[in-house]
Amino acid sequence: GQNIDQPTEMTATEGAIVQINCTYQTSGFNGLFWYQQHAGEAPTFLSYNVLDGLEEKGRFSSFLSRSKGYSYLLLKELQMKDSASYLCAVRGNSGNTPLVFGKGTRLSVIA
Amino acid sequence: ETGVTQTPRHLVMGMTNKKSLKCEQHLGHNAMYWYKQSAKKPLELMFVYSLEERVENNSVPSRFSPECPNSSHLFLHLHTLQPEDSALYLCASSQDSGSGAKNIQYFGAGTRLSVL
Repeated sequence: GQNIDQPTEMTATEGAIVQINCTYQTSGFNGLFWYQQHAGEAPTFLSYNVLDGLEEKGRFSSFLSRSKGYSYLLLKELQMKDSASYLCAVRGNSGNTPLVFGKGTRLSVIA
Repeated sequence: ETGVTQTPRHLVMGMTNKKSLKCEQHLGHNAMYWYKQSAKKPLELMFVYSLEERVENNSVPSRFSPECPNSSHLFLHLHTLQPEDSALYLCASSQDSGSGAKNIQYFGAGTRLSVL
């Protein structure tokens, strides 16, 4: 079976750092994606990891450990506009099966 | 603006109605997808089209009928839906449907469907 787990909700303070975790069990592995989705809007691509380690992109970083089936998204210097749902998705290795998504983590940034 | 446009943004329909959702991508991609997003559930893949051919049908009931007339357009035809089909329907596109590449999927904003 395929399973992606991430916390349902998180709250953090403006200017702080927050880490959103994602664990997965999938049939093979061909990359892990993080998406941001504001209410009523399209999910937008944030990051992609296929090798172990940290990928940094501005205020956002994403980490992957394939042996542990684990990833996290790190958001620094939080801003109110970062309040959104963050979706973890994994691509397996079975032909045309694109992505398996987690339920998403709803992040609320408070003043 | 993600380059993927969905219409309508909101739709209310009765169980006996027939309606269609439309998706258009301006990214030159070869693969397009329909997803269903329900509250407190993961995004569920419904259909995948690659080069206008359906390559995946994820056990979706026949009351949902996709159509891909060309690589830029994707439709989802709806008929005799049930109240439990109420959800956000998202369209996405990517360069191709293969699993061996970074192959980022770009999403539209979705159609919020309510079935009465």
